[in-house]
Amino acid sequence: GEQVEQRPPHLSVREGDSAFIICTYTDSATAYFYWYKQEPGAGLQLLMSVFSNVDRKEEQGLTVLLNKKDKRLSLNLTAAHPGDSAVYFCAVETGNYKYVFGAGTRLKVIA
Amino acid sequence: NAGVIQTPRHKVTGKGQEATLWCEPISGHSAVFWYRQTIVQGLEFLTYFRNQAPIDDSGMPKERFSAQMPNQSHSTLKIQSTQPQDSAVYLCASSLVGLGYEQYFGPGTRLTVL
Repeated sequence: GEQVEQRPPHLSVREGDSAFIICTYTDSATAYFYWYKQEPGAGLQLLMSVFSNVDRKEEQGLTVLLNKKDKRLSLNLTAAHPGDSAVYFCAVETGNYKYVFGAGTRLKVIA
Repeated sequence: NAGVIQTPRHKVTGKGQEATLWCEPISGHSAVFWYRQTIVQGLEFLTYFRNQAPIDDSGMPKERFSAQMPNQSHSTLKIQSTQPQDSAVYLCASSLVGLGYEQYFGPGTRLTVL
C-alpha cells in the first residue's frame, strides 16, 4: 500500500525565516494531497489541500509544491512566527478515501 | 458550525475495562473516519463509514475493537477489555463523500489505560 515519508522530524527556525518540510510518497496514482497542523492537545487543523493537476499553490504565507514525477510534496512556511510552532503532517488520500499520513515534523519558531 | 465534536476529551480506564468514545460529525458530512495516534506508530487509519454504513474497517484490531454509526449525527468506537497498548489519542474526522473532499478532524479523545 501507499507509504509516506516525511522529513525532517524536527525543525527549528528563527522568527521571520522560512520553514521547509518534504514528503515523499510511493503510489504514482495518488491524486489528492493535504497538509495539516496540530497544536498541543488539539486535533488536526487543515492547512491546504492540493490536487494532482496543480504544481504549486500559495495561501496565506504557505506554499505547497507538488512534483509528481519525483512523487514529492513540500510545504514552505514563509516568514514563520512563534504561533506557527506545532507539528505538521502531510497526508495523501488513497483510492479508497482513507488518508495515509507522514510521521510529522515538529516545528519550533524561536522569537 | 461547531466542527467535529468528540467526547470525552480524556478517559482513564483500568486494564480490562471497556471504553466507549463518541464522535459527532459536522452536519451534512456523510463520511466519518476514525484514526489512532501514538508516538510510536503515528497516525493510523482504523475505520470508515459512509452514509452510516461501515465501508472499510481494515485498520481495526480484530479483537476488542468495534465501531458503529447508529445515526447520521454520531459514531462510537468501543474498546472492550482495554489493554495498556490501547493508550492513544483517538481522532474522528468527517467529510463530504467522494475523493478529494477534505477530512475535518475533531480534537481527539486521549485514552489512558492503567
